[in-house]
Amino acid sequence: QVQLVQSGAEVKKPGASVNISCKASGYTFTKDAIHWLRQAPGQRPEWLGWINPATGNTKYSQKFQGRVTISRDTSATTAYVEVSSLRSEDTAVYYCARGGIPLWALWGQGTLVTVSS
Amino acid sequence: DIQMTQSPSALSASVGDRVTITCQASQDIKMNLNWYQQKPGKGPNLLIYGASSLHTGVPSRFSASGSGAHFTFTIGSLRPEDIATYYCQQYDNLPYAFGQGTKLGI
Repeated sequence: QVQLVQSGAEVKKPGASVNISCKASGYTFTKDAIHWLRQAPGQRPEWLGWINPATGNTKYSQKFQGRVTISRDTSATTAYVEVSSLRSEDTAVYYCARGGIPLWALWGQGTLVTVSS
Repeated sequence: DIQMTQSPSALSASVGDRVTITCQASQDIKMNLNWYQQKPGKGPNLLIYGASSLHTGVPSRFSASGSGAHFTFTIGSLRPEDIATYYCQQYDNLPYAFGQGTKLGI
């Protein structure tokens, strides 16, 4: 079964970092990019960046450059996103999504990150 | 960055109605546009890609058209299970961006 399975919900204090995983199964992990997006409550989804699992090359939204790091472990067929210097505005559901054609046809189930003191 | 604007932001319709949503890009994005359905507590679900191609398994009552900067999405005959928020999304240029969404109610 082709799927992306994400790690569980997180509660973090302002200034902390969070690391979310996205495990791919049912397809060749290195074939398509993995994208990361987030959706704050009541807002539209927002693209954070993507990684080419074959090469490790990354591309980030300028808005998050320097605060978001995307990585992967090909042996574990898993991609990761780390968000640092968390603030309350980073409270959101974070999603991974598969690239390729069509783009973002497959999504993870989402990971709720709550930033609260 | 490319801005995506949907209208209307909210829409109330009846079962069996034909429903149309429009999406405008701030510049030419050719046909690099997706449409998604999102239900409460769930992630976005791809319905249409490449501006007009129906994704696998999506009912044929959903359709879309357009190119350049102007796009439309149509539900041919509304069903109760279509109650959701619908988003357009461009993938012509980074950063990929979504419209603000259209909340569809009955």
